[in-house]
Amino acid sequence: QQQVKQSPQSLIVQKGGISIINCAYENTAFDYFPWYQQFPGKGPALLIAIRPDVSEKKEGRFTISFNKSAKQFSLHIMDSQPGDSATYFCAASIRFVAKTGANNLFFGTGTRLTVIP
Amino acid sequence: KAGVTQTPRYLIKTRGQQVTLSCSPISGHRSVSWYQQTPGQGLQFLFEYFSETQRNKGNFPGRFSGRQFSNSRSEMNVSTLELGDSALYLCASSRSGQGALETQYFGPGTRLLVL
Repeated sequence: QQQVKQSPQSLIVQKGGISIINCAYENTAFDYFPWYQQFPGKGPALLIAIRPDVSEKKEGRFTISFNKSAKQFSLHIMDSQPGDSATYFCAASIRFVAKTGANNLFFGTGTRLTVIP
Repeated sequence: KAGVTQTPRYLIKTRGQQVTLSCSPISGHRSVSWYQQTPGQGLQFLFEYFSETQRNKGNFPGRFSGRQFSNSRSEMNVSTLELGDSALYLCASSRSGQGALETQYFGPGTRLLVL
């Protein structure tokens, strides 16, 4: 059962355009939503993250929009560049699990972004 | 500061064999998590270790096991390998994981091919 649903599976954008990737979740206990970027042959790297008490977070060309009532969040890449071509994963987590203090990330299935020069 | 390192980077095994993968976390990080990445299932959580104790476990069969040493280095073992175990195995470390979630830093992964 996929805890976090991600779309689209692949995305092709012209240089300078806006890339938008969407994710949805069901578990209302999730309270941490990071996005990871993965290049071929590399492990995922944290790009940007948001907590549910914030509706938007921006870091440079990357923006997360969060809709708590709809249980959806999205990544917007403004002025997309060929160097942004990578696979992007959204994820969700419960920051603190009672008793165990454990935490683990539930990932979406990934979006392969290609930015055409 | 050196990142998360994983060895070996590539591995070829045959069905029925067992394999051990190694992960060295970032210096000072005590929490190590393991993930399996496949094209079909994406990234799936295997288990997390903290202070040599397994603190959290994903939904994988008992053939998948791990351990953590006193220096926070971790190993993952898969016994009786199956073709479906072919995947990229990723290790991620974070400082302590106590309370609020900390950023998990991923290693480059070990690509396992089971023939």
